[in-house]
Amino acid sequence: QQQVKQSPQSLIVQKGGISIINCAYENTAFDYFPWYQQFPGKGPALLIAIRPDVSEKKEGRFTISFNKSAKQFSLHIMDSQPGDSATYFCAASTGGGGADGLTFGKGTHLIIQP
Amino acid sequence: DAGITQSPRHKVTETGTPVTLRCHQTENHRYMYWYRQDPGHGLRLIHYSYGVKDTDKGEVSDGYSVSRSKTEDFLLTLESATSSQTSVYFCAISPTPSGFPLHFGNGTRLTVT
Repeated sequence: QQQVKQSPQSLIVQKGGISIINCAYENTAFDYFPWYQQFPGKGPALLIAIRPDVSEKKEGRFTISFNKSAKQFSLHIMDSQPGDSATYFCAASTGGGGADGLTFGKGTHLIIQP
Repeated sequence: DAGITQSPRHKVTETGTPVTLRCHQTENHRYMYWYRQDPGHGLRLIHYSYGVKDTDKGEVSDGYSVSRSKTEDFLLTLESATSSQTSVYFCAISPTPSGFPLHFGNGTRLTVT
């Protein structure tokens, strides 16, 4: 059972456009929602994270929007640049450890065309 | 890269042979994890450790074992490698049990022929 569903699997955006990646979850015990960015040949790196007590968090060109009632959260990349081309993973955690820790979405391969 | 070194970075091995992957951290974090990454599956937890000699199974633990004799080292062993274990393996560390934040190494690409 996939606990975090991520879409789309792949996305092509023109330079300067807005990239939007969506995730949905079922487990209402999740209380921490990070996004990871992964470049080829590298491990995923924490990009931005949000807790459910806020509806939006912004860091530079990256924004997480969170809809608790719909159990959805999304990553918006404003003014997308070719350097943003990467694979993005959403994740969710209940705060528990180990196997009850982070659950990842399947990833979105983002290509920003110059 | 948060002081995580995975070795080897690449390995090709034959079906049925044992393989050990090593993760070494310099952050003194208590929690360590092994994930595998496969197209269409994202990141799946294999095993994790919550302290020296304290380990437990993750979502896809069959065919894998782990050991942690020191805080800084977490070993992943494939006792008898199979082609289905061809994957990219990532070690991750965290100072908290919730995985906040979780820092990944740069991975080991394993090919089982």
